[in-house]
Amino acid sequence: SYELTQPPSVSVSPGQTARITCSGDALPKKYAYWYQQKSGQAPVLVIYEDTKRPSGIPERFSGSSSGTMATLTISGAQVDDEAAYYCYSMASSGNHGVFGGGTKLTVL
Amino acid sequence: QVTLKESGPVLVKPTETLALTCTVSGFSLRDSRLGVSWIRQPPGKALEWLAHIFSNDEKSYSTSLKSRLTISKDTSNSQVVLTMTNMDPVDTATYYCARIVVAGPPLRYYFDYWGQGTLVTVSS
Repeated sequence: SYELTQPPSVSVSPGQTARITCSGDALPKKYAYWYQQKSGQAPVLVIYEDTKRPSGIPERFSGSSSGTMATLTISGAQVDDEAAYYCYSMASSGNHGVFGGGTKLTVL
Repeated sequence: QVTLKESGPVLVKPTETLALTCTVSGFSLRDSRLGVSWIRQPPGKALEWLAHIFSNDEKSYSTSLKSRLTISKDTSNSQVVLTMTNMDPVDTATYYCARIVVAGPPLRYYFDYWGQGTLVTVSS
């Protein structure tokens, strides 16, 4: 079955840039989406269709995609950005959804 | 205001069938641009997509769980139901329903609103 691979953890100091990657064979043909999940809460969409930011999401969140890798960038990370981040996409065949394994972002 | 709310048992026994209901408001299950998906998350683990249903009643299931899952909708009552048979302790998880936004072609969809989730524990 199709898989999306993320690093288990990323750590940065406040004000630094955090980059979280997501790799998958179908990403050249499928969009990537990014969700932020804080402890005990439901996920929140922060990036859709590789690069678009929903209304209400701070400008420091941006997305990019090249080849088989999508990247979520948080420029000037804040302590409030500490959360688990999940990439999501669709399998190359059919219309099954797939989540990455999640990346725990630590900002301290 | 878009809301989704999951309901169902908090505790089920092994081998039993789980039935969860997602009651939505603020949008219609008849809207061709929208759908509803179920996603689960075992404690401390990653999100796992389970199934979705669209306004035209098109359904799709996780390959690994397809034989155990059934998704259906009651449009008049704005509800989507997920049943999972033969529950096992490894199915202990928070189960979320989420609204799907459908775009394309090519078909693509994502989740823009989520319910708060409901924790289901499988134990004898």
